Amino acid sequence: SYELTQPLSVSVALGQTARITCGRNNIGRKNVHWYQQKPGQAPVLVIYRDTNRPSGIPERFSGSNSGNTATLTISRAQAGDEADYYCQVWDTSTVVFGGGTKLSVL
Amino acid sequence: QVQLQESGPGLVKASETLSLTCTVSGGSVSSGSYYWSWIRQPPGEGLEWIGYISYTESTTYNPSLMSRVTMSVDTSKNQFSLKLTSVTAADTAVYYCARVGTDYSYYFDQWGQGTLVTVSS
Repeated sequence: SYELTQPLSVSVALGQTARITCGRNNIGRKNVHWYQQKPGQAPVLVIYRDTNRPSGIPERFSGSNSGNTATLTISRAQAGDEADYYCQVWDTSTVVFGGGTKLSVL
Repeated sequence: QVQLQESGPGLVKASETLSLTCTVSGGSVSSGSYYWSWIRQPPGEGLEWIGYISYTESTTYNPSLMSRVTMSVDTSKNQFSLKLTSVTAADTAVYYCARVGTDYSYYFDQWGQGTLVTVSS
């Protein structure tokens, strides 16, 4: 089965840059999408097709994807960025989510 | 902006069938540009994709749930639905409906608020 590996947790100091990874062999050949989920809320799409930001998502959120790792980068991290983040891939007609990463802003 | 709203029983008995409906407003389930999907999240756990459906009722299901899942669309009511049979405690989760963007890849660009379904013994 197609599995995506994310770190369980990532910490970042306020105002610094956070990087959340999503790993899989040759994931660079796939389109990767990222979601932010705050406690008690539905997920929100923050990056689609590796690098694209939906309307309303701050420019501080960016994505990249190459080789075996896709990365969500959050610049100038704010307290409001604390959330769970999930990567997702569509592969051979099925959808796979990563296990999720809890981002803490210190 | 399109909005999605889940509805259905919050409590289902084990071995029975879970039935949920998603009502779409501000957009049409008949749009050929999108699919419509169900995703669930057990308490304290991650996201699990259940399946997606087009307005022509073409469906694709998660292989792990395929034997128990049926999705349907009602274009006259602008709704789509989920049925999950023979539920167990492992099916207790928040169930989300979502719109699926389909340009070059499939991703979930709009979500409902989610509804908690508890399976009781």
